[in-house]
Amino acid sequence: DVKVTQSSRYLVKRTGEKVFLECVQDMDHENMFWYRQDPGLGLRLIYFSYDVKMKEKGDIPEGYSVSREKKERFSLILESASTNQTSMYLCASRDRPLYGYTFGSGTRLTVV
Amino acid sequence: AQTVTQSQPEMSVQEAETVTLSCTYDTSESDYYLFWYKQPPSRQMILVIRQEAYKQQNATENRFSVNFQKAAKSFSLKISDSQLGDAAMYFCAYRGNEKLTFGTGTRLTIIP
Repeated sequence: DVKVTQSSRYLVKRTGEKVFLECVQDMDHENMFWYRQDPGLGLRLIYFSYDVKMKEKGDIPEGYSVSREKKERFSLILESASTNQTSMYLCASRDRPLYGYTFGSGTRLTVV
Repeated sequence: AQTVTQSQPEMSVQEAETVTLSCTYDTSESDYYLFWYKQPPSRQMILVIRQEAYKQQNATENRFSVNFQKAAKSFSLKISDSQLGDAAMYFCAYRGNEKLTFGTGTRLTIIP
């Protein structure tokens, strides 16, 4: 089975800190995605990547950036964390279209 | 842009009974995929069932089946013989050219 691993299950950061959320997949998938999940809003796409060093903005990219230096790793960066970025962050990767996405188990980030 | 609407924030069903979760979507694309994901308290997003738009036959996976009405842009999920382990958030999702777009979710409670 494809495995998508997010490095932290819970994180607490201070306002203004630079925050890195890491995601690693082990099945050589080209496509990787970062979503944030908020109650009543579902999952919203932040950024995605088709390949190494390639990135595309999703629906809510403001305040975020990403890095993909290796195929298996896709990092989400909060340049200066703010309280409105407190949320659940989900990473996903995709192979064949029919099979949808494989998700990590999420990082719950709290910015204080 | 594609949108996915789940109009039932919460649903409950008696154990062993049948429940149907609603989903509608809006798109101008002719070729796309539809998915139902389950998110239990563990937070892991689990693919429940998938449907290719070009297939008229409704998808079925054991106790889970869909009612796909392409003209009406409707994609409901039926869970038969509900079990306690079915308690979770359920998300409907649409994938056209590349992005996976989610609805806001339905929280399903199973009453013993």
